[in-house]
Amino acid sequence: RKEVEQDPGPFNVPEGATVAFNCTYSNSASQSFFWYRQDCRKEPKLLMSVYSSGNEDGRFTAQLNRASQYISLLIRDSKLSDSATYLCVVNRLDTGRRALTFGSGTRLQVQP
Amino acid sequence: DGGITQSPKYLFRKEGQNVTLSCEQNLNHDAMYWYRQDPGQGLRLIYYSQIVNDFQKGDIAEGYSVSREKKESFPLTVTSAQKNPTAFYLCASSIDRQLSATNEKLLFGSGTQLSVL
Repeated sequence: RKEVEQDPGPFNVPEGATVAFNCTYSNSASQSFFWYRQDCRKEPKLLMSVYSSGNEDGRFTAQLNRASQYISLLIRDSKLSDSATYLCVVNRLDTGRRALTFGSGTRLQVQP
Repeated sequence: DGGITQSPKYLFRKEGQNVTLSCEQNLNHDAMYWYRQDPGQGLRLIYYSQIVNDFQKGDIAEGYSVSREKKESFPLTVTSAQKNPTAFYLCASSIDRQLSATNEKLLFGSGTQLSVL
């Protein structure tokens, strides 16, 4: 089983739609969670961190469910510019390895 | 402006050849990382370095080598032992080598696309 799993999509949605992505992680020792955005052939960029209480940044809402070991990203009022791949990222602090583990990404295509 | 610079943007390797990808940062970050990304897949960690003159293997280190002689530089060599080197290579850095909860954000370079001739 992969350490971080995401539905690859693509999710094709019309402008203005609300869309949600889920991501599951296998290791309960994971302690930090993030969503990164990656445009085609570009580098990933941090979209938002995910906090236990849930957090919101404009049209984007991230939530964490530790009991079920999944995190989610909700995008409201989708824009054409939201079209990208969204990467779920986790980190574990129980090992000597200090690096983030990335999911394979969920592709979003917002259509006019 | 501070940032991470990767070069070249595109690189072609002949069979049996070693090639080196450059990564430089002027952010004074302690930690640096190399990831590989294949089409439709996530990033896989090749090597990382938390401090000068020290580096650790990631999940797919075989066929690769690195050095960290200077804080700002972390070059990656793709050796002839790497039989499937075609991929998008991403270098990243973070300010905190311990990756504490509040400072785990990675800043990426723009990547190098390596292809085999």
